[in-house]
Formats: sequence, C-alpha cells, structure tokens
Amino acid sequence: KAGVTQTPRYLIKTRGQQVTLSCSPISGHRSVSWYQQTPGQGLQFLFEYFSETQRNKGNFPGRFSGRQFSNSRSEMNVSTLELGDSALYLCASSLERGTGSGNTIYFGEGSWLTVV
Amino acid sequence: AQTVTQSQPEMSVQEAETVTLSCTYDTSESDYYLFWYKQPPSRQMILVIRQEAYKQQNATENRFSVNFQKAAKSFSLKISDSQLGDAAMYFCAYRIASGAGSYQLTFGKGTKLSVIP
Repeated sequence: KAGVTQTPRYLIKTRGQQVTLSCSPISGHRSVSWYQQTPGQGLQFLFEYFSETQRNKGNFPGRFSGRQFSNSRSEMNVSTLELGDSALYLCASSLERGTGSGNTIYFGEGSWLTVV
Repeated sequence: AQTVTQSQPEMSVQEAETVTLSCTYDTSESDYYLFWYKQPPSRQMILVIRQEAYKQQNATENRFSVNFQKAAKSFSLKISDSQLGDAAMYFCAYRIASGAGSYQLTFGKGTKLSVIP
C-alpha cells in the first residue's frame, strides 16, 4: 500500500511570496499532521487535521495555515515567506483510533523549501 | 508541557556491535506512547519501534529493543548486531494517549549514529 506522498519535493521561493505544499495520506488514514524541521529548532509540530477540521495547532504565526479535503488530502500554505521559513516540511498520517498500529504516525519524505 | 531529551548528539558503533541510544522525557500524563524514529540521509522518518506506557514489557523489533523505565521516565534504544544501514539520525518521540494534543508528536533533538565498518 502506498505511503504518505508529498509534493513538491523541492522548491525555491523568494521572500514575500507564498507557497502551498500538498500531502496525500496513507489510504484509510484520516488524521494528517504537519511538522517543520530545521537544524536550529529541530522537529516542531505545525498542525493536525481530522475530518477537514483542525484539531490542534503548534506555536507558529498566522502566516502558516492548512486545510484538509474530504478525501483526507491536506495542504499547508505559508504566506509572506521569510528566510527563516527555509526548512523541511514533513507530513504525517495516522489511523487515529485503537492500539498498536492504530496510534502510529507515519511520515512522508518531506518537501524541501528554500527561501531566498 | 512535555519535553523529550536526547543527551547524545552523536554516537558511533563498530559494525556487528551493540549500541544504546538514550532518551528521557518529562510528562505529568500516565497514559502515553513512546517511539523511536530513524531518519536516514533521504530524510524520510521511519518508525523503528513503539512502546505503550501501560505495558511493562519492553518492545522489541528484530535487532531493535527498548529499555522502558516509566518511573525514571527513560526510554533507551538498543541496536544489536549493528549494520551499515543503521547509520542515521535517531529521534525519540512522545505522544499522549488521549485529549486535544494526542495527535502530535514531541521530538527530541536527535542522535546521529555512525556505523564504522
């Protein structure tokens, strides 16, 4: 079964622009979450969606937003890009319910964003 | 707030030998999950092993096993018979079992493991 798929894998943007990243979860997974990874801050939680609703949000400015569609696919958007937004953005999905594999979060390969 | 600490930024191990990576965490919750993820140079986070806090038995997955000490809030990863493919960043992660924050992972800073042929 296919894993978590993220597009695009690599992109370069200019300061002030906006960017949209896409994530398709594992089939049947309804929870999608996003993480930012930088050398300085490590892995930080951005937000999590379930059934098209944002259930939890990390400590990021309002320039970072996201949404989830009825097919569980998710997008995240960053507006007015800053140099510090350069990072690897990881999407993850999970079944949500149950024990064992039901509570495990699986990750995609990430989208590398460089802001120049 | 929950925190996860990995005190070893880098470690190395000889091929075929055993290495232990350390992780401690701080939480006031009683029910939670702990994970070790591996991140090779490709950057994809790969689940290595999972532990439910209510289980006293330590989890094992082939050459990977954990030493879970709930009272000490310690969760170390032991890799036996190390292989060159084990070289990667290893992240310890925590997740509460229920409630609003139960679908987010809190990560440690990571331990970079090198395997020497």
